[in-house]
Amino acid sequence: AQSVTQPDIHITVSEGASLELRCNYSYGATPYLFWYVQSPGQGLQLLLKYFSGDTLVQGIKGFEAEFKRSQSSFNLRKPSVHWSDAAEYFCAVGIMEYGNKLVFGAGTILRVKS
Amino acid sequence: DAGVIQSPRHEVTEMGQEVTLRCKPISGHDYLFWYRQTMMRGLELLIYFNNNVPIDDSGMPEDRFSAKMPNASFSTLKIQPSEPRDSAVYFCASSLTGAGHSPLHFGNGTRLTVT
Repeated sequence: AQSVTQPDIHITVSEGASLELRCNYSYGATPYLFWYVQSPGQGLQLLLKYFSGDTLVQGIKGFEAEFKRSQSSFNLRKPSVHWSDAAEYFCAVGIMEYGNKLVFGAGTILRVKS
Repeated sequence: DAGVIQSPRHEVTEMGQEVTLRCKPISGHDYLFWYRQTMMRGLELLIYFNNNVPIDDSGMPEDRFSAKMPNASFSTLKIQPSEPRDSAVYFCASSLTGAGHSPLHFGNGTRLTVT
């Protein structure tokens, strides 16, 4: 069955520390991959996306993600976290063959301590 | 670009009442999606439209839920009758092409509370 796994429900990092949020997917085909961020009381905002080409993609707010086909992963990283990065982060996968739908992971809540 | 606009932001209603949520997608976007977000189930796709036509409503939980898109700039999600378990945040999103390829643009959601 199709699935997107974000194994960490909560992560706490210190301001200025590096961050990595994990995402794994289970599909036969090469998917389109996205990371979205949700601040409290707001909708989701796109951070970055991977369609093809260079497997390291840059996004907004200093985030980047790397697609690793062999590991079926698309982990999100940031070298130095700011307090304003505290939010919930969602990995999402799209497969054109499955009808133009996105499947979202369960989300990872990021807390930043000063 | 004003983004995806949803109304109301908050809705509190009593069990059994009809609820209508509204969405205005980004102009020029051919796809519109309705999602529901709860703590227990996360983000669930309810239904999506392509060029105002419902394509996949397999996520609509029950016959009490219905969605329409009478034109390219307006969609509604209706719950009749509402039940406490319908309490959730409902998001509308639009995309230029299919969500599998182009990014989704989300509204700020409608927080529904059914008492």
